[in-house]
Amino acid sequence: AQSVTQLDSQVPVFEEAPVELRCNYSSSVSVYLFWYVQYPNQGLQLLLKYLSGSTLVESINGFEAEFNKSQTSFHLRKPSVHISDTAEYFCAVSSRYNFNKFYFGSGTKLNVKP
Amino acid sequence: NAGVTQTPKFQVLKTGQSMTLQCAQDMNHEYMSWYRQDPGMGLRLIHYSVGAGITDQGEVPNGYNVSRSTTEDFPLRLLSAAPSQTSVYFCASSYAVTNYGYTFGSGTRLTVV
Repeated sequence: AQSVTQLDSQVPVFEEAPVELRCNYSSSVSVYLFWYVQYPNQGLQLLLKYLSGSTLVESINGFEAEFNKSQTSFHLRKPSVHISDTAEYFCAVSSRYNFNKFYFGSGTKLNVKP
Repeated sequence: NAGVTQTPKFQVLKTGQSMTLQCAQDMNHEYMSWYRQDPGMGLRLIHYSVGAGITDQGEVPNGYNVSRSTTEDFPLRLLSAAPSQTSVYFCASSYAVTNYGYTFGSGTRLTVV
């Protein structure tokens, strides 16, 4: 089975500052990796994903994540955050052999302050 | 609008009662799943389905039943509610999980007293 660890439960940051949300996973097999975002009182939305190929993946709103196989990490970064980025972010992993089963981390609440 | 519809949005149950959380999607998605979200624990998979008539257990299936008689519907049944089942429940569906990820419903907040 896979597991996901998000070490930071909350990350406060000022607007226009850079941010990194950390995600580490454990798996004995090849994985797919995802970041989801949850705005208050809403369901989760897919932010970006790594399936194969380039280890650096980007979202349409300026977030990026890098797959690091040796460190089993998939950290999420943004060089300059906006107030509207305030949300909870979840890292998720699934196995290439049973991709329907997602394992989510415990989430990181990003609080962007003016 | 196309999407995943969950009903009800809120529910309070007494210990021992049973109920069904409804989930419907109109996108012709093959894959559907139920998750529960608890503070500090993220989302945990309860049951999932890869198509009509096919279901399987996730991480925390005890106390829950599912069936998938149609592509569109994937109800979650609580057999005998317990306070430990107080949670927010999310239904999700996907056409191709790896390429598009899951589309999530807006959730059902369940309190068991």
